[in-house]
Amino acid sequence: AQSVTQLDSQVPVFEEAPVELRCNYSSSVSVYLFWYVQYPNQGLQLLLKYLSGSTLVKGINGFEAEFNKSQTSFHLRKPSVHISDTAEYFCAVSDPDADKLIFGTGTRLQVFP
Amino acid sequence: KAGVTQTPRYLIKTRGQQVTLSCSPISGHRSVSWYQQTPGQGLQFLFEYFSETQRNKGNFPGRFSGRQFSNSRSEMNVSTLELGDSALYLCASSPGQGSQPQHFGDGTRLSIL
Repeated sequence: AQSVTQLDSQVPVFEEAPVELRCNYSSSVSVYLFWYVQYPNQGLQLLLKYLSGSTLVKGINGFEAEFNKSQTSFHLRKPSVHISDTAEYFCAVSDPDADKLIFGTGTRLQVFP
Repeated sequence: KAGVTQTPRYLIKTRGQQVTLSCSPISGHRSVSWYQQTPGQGLQFLFEYFSETQRNKGNFPGRFSGRQFSNSRSEMNVSTLELGDSALYLCASSPGQGSQPQHFGDGTRLSIL
């Protein structure tokens, strides 16, 4: 069975500082990997995805993630955060043969001025 | 292109009642998935419909059901509501080939009194 672990439930950071949100996954088959962001009272917005190919994936709003197969990780990074990045971030995996996302428990990113 | 539309945005029901939630996918998308989001259990997959057929199902009781119409619009029904059914219900659509990411609506907030 597939599972996703987000190691940090909350990450506080000052504006313009770099940030890394950690995600590890477990799967016996190859998977697709995603990061979504959720702002208050809204649904999920796709930040980026890894399907295959280059292990460094660039997404929207300056975010990027690196797929590491040996460490089964897919950490999300941003070199300089803004106040507007304050939100909940979810890592997810899916089986290539199924439209079914398995989510981590989420990381609350709080950016302070 | 219009995004995924969920109606209603908010709903209040009492225990024992039943409820129907609606989801209109992005035009051209044939797959619709439903997720339940609660503070305790996080984001959990309910089921996925593709071309009017349920293709995947999560681990929820039979009180939770859904259907998809020929225009890809989907409805989710919950019967005999329980307090624990209070949640944000999110709908997501995709073309349905697995490699394409799911796009989420803003959800229906269901409160059970």
